[in-house]
Amino acid sequence: SQTIHQWPATLVQPVGSPLSLECTVEGTSNPNLYWYRQAAGRGLQLLFYSVGIGQISSEVPQNLSASRPQDRQFILSSKKLLLSDSGFYLCAWGAIYGYTFGSGTRLTVV
Amino acid sequence: AQRVTQPEKLLSVFKGAPVELKCNYSYSGSPELFWYVQYSRQRLQLLLRHISRESIKGFTADLNKGETSFHLKKPFAQEEDSAMYYCALRRMDSSYKLIFGSGTRLLVRP
Repeated sequence: SQTIHQWPATLVQPVGSPLSLECTVEGTSNPNLYWYRQAAGRGLQLLFYSVGIGQISSEVPQNLSASRPQDRQFILSSKKLLLSDSGFYLCAWGAIYGYTFGSGTRLTVV
Repeated sequence: AQRVTQPEKLLSVFKGAPVELKCNYSYSGSPELFWYVQYSRQRLQLLLRHISRESIKGFTADLNKGETSFHLKKPFAQEEDSAMYYCALRRMDSSYKLIFGSGTRLLVRP
């Protein structure tokens, strides 16, 4: 069965510091991968998606970037965090028959 | 552009009362609609998809293309139904992107 691992579960970072959130998938190959963010009081906003290694599509302009160095690895990064980057970040993989979501990372920028 | 609207942030009902969580969408094509649920301290999980036309945990949802709606209904709410509910639309292309609404928190009181 397919599983998705996301870490860390919580993170507190100062403004201006770098960020790296990692997501890995098991039990599937060549998955479509997604990064979502849920800001306080708002729904799940799609940030990035990837249909293959090195292929990244950005959905909204922002201070973040994504990379897919391996088939089952998806990384969300920032060079300098802003207060507005605080939120709950979810990784997901999807295929025509369904989606699986990670457990999420709660990021607080202070 | 595709959009999913959930007008209610919070819906509070008493146990045994009927529940209807509203969802409207806009999409220039034939969408695939989903309802996802997130119980406290659990991962986001699929509740219903419109093409399955099934009832899960007593919930049903009918796609109304004329009204562009996909409301979630349950005739008799239970306390264990308390959770965050998200309506989502999938683009029918190779990206398989899920576009979420802002979510509705359902609180079922005893």
